[in-house]
Amino acid sequence: QSVLTQPPSASGTPGQRVTISCSGSSSNIGSNTVNWYQQLPGTAPKLLIYSNNQRPSGVPDRFSGSKSGTSASLAISGLQSGDEADYYCAAWDDSLNGPVFGGGTKLTVL
Amino acid sequence: QVQLQESGPGLVKPSQTLSLTCTVSGGSISSGSYYWSWIRQPAGKGLEWIGRIYTSGSTNYNPSLKSRVTISVDTSKNQFSLKLSSVTAADTAVYYCARDSGMATIGAWGQGTLVTVSS
Repeated sequence: QSVLTQPPSASGTPGQRVTISCSGSSSNIGSNTVNWYQQLPGTAPKLLIYSNNQRPSGVPDRFSGSKSGTSASLAISGLQSGDEADYYCAAWDDSLNGPVFGGGTKLTVL
Repeated sequence: QVQLQESGPGLVKPSQTLSLTCTVSGGSISSGSYYWSWIRQPAGKGLEWIGRIYTSGSTNYNPSLKSRVTISVDTSKNQFSLKLSSVTAADTAVYYCARDSGMATIGAWGQGTLVTVSS
């Protein structure tokens, strides 16, 4: 059971916009920034969004993040087949004194 | 650009100690304000933070694993290591080493190594 809650799956057609939600609590998302990771099949996770809405160099602006209260969202616009992956949210947890992750959302491009 | 590479046995017997090493290249493990972390992922499941060590040598661990985990650093070899004792089948997972900038911002990951606990 993951500390952060994500839907197990999401889907969309090429060109569409999809969003993935992430719900936490006051000890994690409510008081700290949220990061998002993309894990392509058979590979290590890759930092996609940090500090709620910042993109590392090289990440297309089709990916965006937002946070409100104890929840956060990842939006992907102009969906492409190469976006098929598992997406994880993460945040520092003040109670755990460490990072916590969501259970992951498997994105399928139909 | 920093790169991380895990190494260690892929098979460990139940009740024994799992030992992995992460070799860092492309930068000194002692430079910058980074935490050097271990994270694992059972097959088909999500990510679980195991613990981390700061460049000063200070550590913090996931409370659920704390009694069994030791993370250490060898700056002379630019490596850090994980020891997990008294393993069971539930510890079977892909283990990743990673560089954490703080606040769960993990900007660099190793490729991961599968460790299976089985007799």
